[in-house]
Amino acid sequence: AQSVTQLDSHVSVSEGTPVLLRCNYSSSYSPSLFWYVQHPNKGLQLLLKYTSAATLVKGINGFEAEFKKSETSFHLTKPSAHMSDAAEYFCVVSLLNAGGTSYGKLTFGQGTILTVHP
Amino acid sequence: DTAVSQTPKYLVTQMGNDKSIKCEQNLGHDTMYWYKQDSKKFLKIMFSYNNKELIINETVPNRFSPKSPDKAHLNLHINSLELGDSAVYFCASSPRSSGGPEQFFGPGTRLTVL
Repeated sequence: AQSVTQLDSHVSVSEGTPVLLRCNYSSSYSPSLFWYVQHPNKGLQLLLKYTSAATLVKGINGFEAEFKKSETSFHLTKPSAHMSDAAEYFCVVSLLNAGGTSYGKLTFGQGTILTVHP
Repeated sequence: DTAVSQTPKYLVTQMGNDKSIKCEQNLGHDTMYWYKQDSKKFLKIMFSYNNKELIINETVPNRFSPKSPDKAHLNLHINSLELGDSAVYFCASSPRSSGGPEQFFGPGTRLTVL
């Protein structure tokens, strides 16, 4: 079984300050992990993904995430928040089987709403 | 040139009606999905089709019936709509069900059942 826990339902930062959105996962095998962003009344956009290559993953819009197996974490960070980053962020896990391929089923976290103040 | 498109974007209907939501992807992907996002923004997979074959079928009422006429289309038909069906429904696609984990999402269809 696999699960994802986003530790904060809301995060509020000032523009220009760092962003940290926390995510912990549980998976029997090596997972693929993703962060998706959803702006208000919009669809989901892939920010970045981890698929058992480099543990520090760089995504779009200056976001990055680090896979830490020992901590079962995949926290999302950005050095300097921008007003346009205000959105809801979802941490997602895809279970890989023993052969390293995906079953195709994504499990979503509960989401973290990021608010950016001027 | 939209990659994954859904129609309609908004759907308002009465309880008991039957409605369909269409999804098309022009990415050449083999696998397509339907997700439901409830009022608390929680996203859950409903169905997955790979090359027109059903591969994932979560615990969804049988009032929901996906139909895949070809691998570029996955439509969702809902019979006897209920208030609890109100949600945003997202279609997604991925290159294949194994080995290509990331999925590309459509803009969503907001269904409101009155």
